[in-house]
Amino acid sequence: DGGITQSPKYLFRKEGQNVTLSCEQNLNHDAMYWYRQDPGQGLRLIYYSQIVNDFQKGDIAEGYSVSREKKESFPLTVTSAQKNPTAFYLCASSDRGRRNNEQFFGPGTRLTVL
Amino acid sequence: AQTVTQSQPEMSVQEAETVTLSCTYDTSESDYYLFWYKQPPSRQMILVIRQEAYKQQNATENRFSVNFQKAAKSFSLKISDSQLGDAAMYFCAYRRSDMRFGAGTRLTVKP
Repeated sequence: DGGITQSPKYLFRKEGQNVTLSCEQNLNHDAMYWYRQDPGQGLRLIYYSQIVNDFQKGDIAEGYSVSREKKESFPLTVTSAQKNPTAFYLCASSDRGRRNNEQFFGPGTRLTVL
Repeated sequence: AQTVTQSQPEMSVQEAETVTLSCTYDTSESDYYLFWYKQPPSRQMILVIRQEAYKQQNATENRFSVNFQKAAKSFSLKISDSQLGDAAMYFCAYRRSDMRFGAGTRLTVKP
């Protein structure tokens, strides 16, 4: 089945450590996105990528980094510079060619800083 | 920057009744797209319905329909014959280039 996978489902990190969240899609979508979701707030865009080897900062990119070496993969690294990283992280993808296309979402990763 | 506002943090509806969730947005563009997403307790985001701004006709998907008022920049979601499985967070979203989401409305369905 086509879809988006994120791993792990739950992730625990000690303060001062970097951690990488995985996102893989087999939908052949060009565009991929990372969102952060906090209680009582909607989804906020961290980074997005329209094509391989290219990505742009979203609204809350500070303390995060990404790479897009393959079309199928868009990993997100939460660095020690991120002051409050405990949150739910969602990865999404879409067909870049049509703006009316929905974004398809992965099941999410819950990150907790201990 | 475009903003999306959902003024109802929580809503409740009796099973089989109808409920309307509100959404307003701010934009100076004339060509854009609007979406309603559902996020059940599993936290999987699911598309409920979409509306293209250039279409005057309101979108409908089974029990879900929208009331799109372009001049008022309003995009409400109506759920008819509510079912227990409709209980979820509902997010309104605006898209021209990137996607902007509202803060969400938590819908409770009472049996």
